[in-house]
Amino acid sequence: GDQVEQSPSALSLHEGTDSALRCNFTTTMRSVQWFRQNSRGSLISLFYLASGTKENGRLKSAFDSKERRYSTLHIRDAQLEDSGTYFCADMANYGNEKITFGAGTKLTIKP
Amino acid sequence: SVLLYQKPNRDICQSGTSLKIQCVADSQVVSMFWYQQFQEQSLMLMATANEGSEATYESGFTKDKFPISRPNLTFSTLTVNNARPGDSSIYFCSSRTGLYAEQFFGPGTRLTVL
Repeated sequence: GDQVEQSPSALSLHEGTDSALRCNFTTTMRSVQWFRQNSRGSLISLFYLASGTKENGRLKSAFDSKERRYSTLHIRDAQLEDSGTYFCADMANYGNEKITFGAGTKLTIKP
Repeated sequence: SVLLYQKPNRDICQSGTSLKIQCVADSQVVSMFWYQQFQEQSLMLMATANEGSEATYESGFTKDKFPISRPNLTFSTLTVNNARPGDSSIYFCSSRTGLYAEQFFGPGTRLTVL
């Protein structure tokens, strides 16, 4: 089955720093979606990409359009409210509409 | 986008009892799904809720244990039968508006089985 590898598994940063989270897929993907889950358990969709890059404030995500096996989420100028667990989820390119979640990156922002 | 509402937000129940979780979408959606998430773990797809027919279950999940109904394009219920402490987790409903579209999640139902 599909394998979604997220790295790093955990990351601790100080406020104001930048970071990059990564998502690798073992097969080509139709699309990728990034989520953030807060401490209360709510899952918020950050980006949905079928190709290219998207940006929203301090967050930017890219999906490798050529190989379709790699995606990144960049966080610029990290703030305390960015803390949470970040998941990437992908939809395979072979007609299966299900999405598969990575194991997540637990991000902690320190003052 | 799609807004999903779940009821209850959380519940505590005794082993052996059953619990029903409801999910309502603010618009008609093509696909509806149910996910399970244990603490500190990722989300696992349980089943696809099919309108007017039986749900399609993933490996490890059965209709006897987790019956799912979807009477129309905006509503689904997940029942946890014969609840056990190992069923304690967050249950999310999820949907998308098109076959390969962005996916949205409800707020989750946190279940604790004593």
